[in-house]
Amino acid sequence: DAKTTQPTSMDCAEGRAANLPCNHSTISGNEYVYWYRQIHSQGPQYIIHGLKNNETNEMASLIITEDRKSSTLILPHATLRDTAVYYCIALASNTGKLIFGQGTTLQVKP
Amino acid sequence: ETGVTQSPTHLIKTRGQQVTLRCSSQSGHNTVSWYQQALGQGPQFIFQYYREEENGRGNFPPRFSGLQFPNYSSELNVNALELDDSALYLCASSPASGGPNTGELFFGEGSRLTVL
Repeated sequence: DAKTTQPTSMDCAEGRAANLPCNHSTISGNEYVYWYRQIHSQGPQYIIHGLKNNETNEMASLIITEDRKSSTLILPHATLRDTAVYYCIALASNTGKLIFGQGTTLQVKP
Repeated sequence: ETGVTQSPTHLIKTRGQQVTLRCSSQSGHNTVSWYQQALGQGPQFIFQYYREEENGRGNFPPRFSGLQFPNYSSELNVNALELDDSALYLCASSPASGGPNTGELFFGEGSRLTVL
């Protein structure tokens, strides 16, 4: 499983876009990029995932570089409720085992 | 809310005791995974059950064991508790449509275990 690297923490102003980067330079061809977040004292929540193409859903957008060595999760209009730890995970297609790192603590400020 | 429920939400045990944690998966989900989350760390994979069989295990000793029942609910048992077992234990289920290898998991709120 590829190792992912994320900044430890980030701040974002309420109402602005939050762009969370993730480095996965050793990702292999069959590994998807998954994003989860964990709000304090709750279980992790699935956000989005992708393989090669950019993806968008009602929560966020995922931009994956062409070489697949990095990606960015975009929360288009961050709210205070988006304050959480965000995890970027590289998951091989033949396993359902998520390997969580330390994640990025996103603080959305008024 | 995901529909995955765990019990108990909090419990305190002493070293050497045994504990059973329970998880009721979301309707239509036949795969259950268990994770341990120590304070300040990301969750660590313990094992996964698919159709009542263990289907993958992380780096945890045999005193961590599990069961999945015909209704796809699950139990995590930990014997001979150690102080380092103090953690949040998370259960996650995934739908049958995604298969056991999907990464789209639905987590419960967890059971917080304190070992004294």
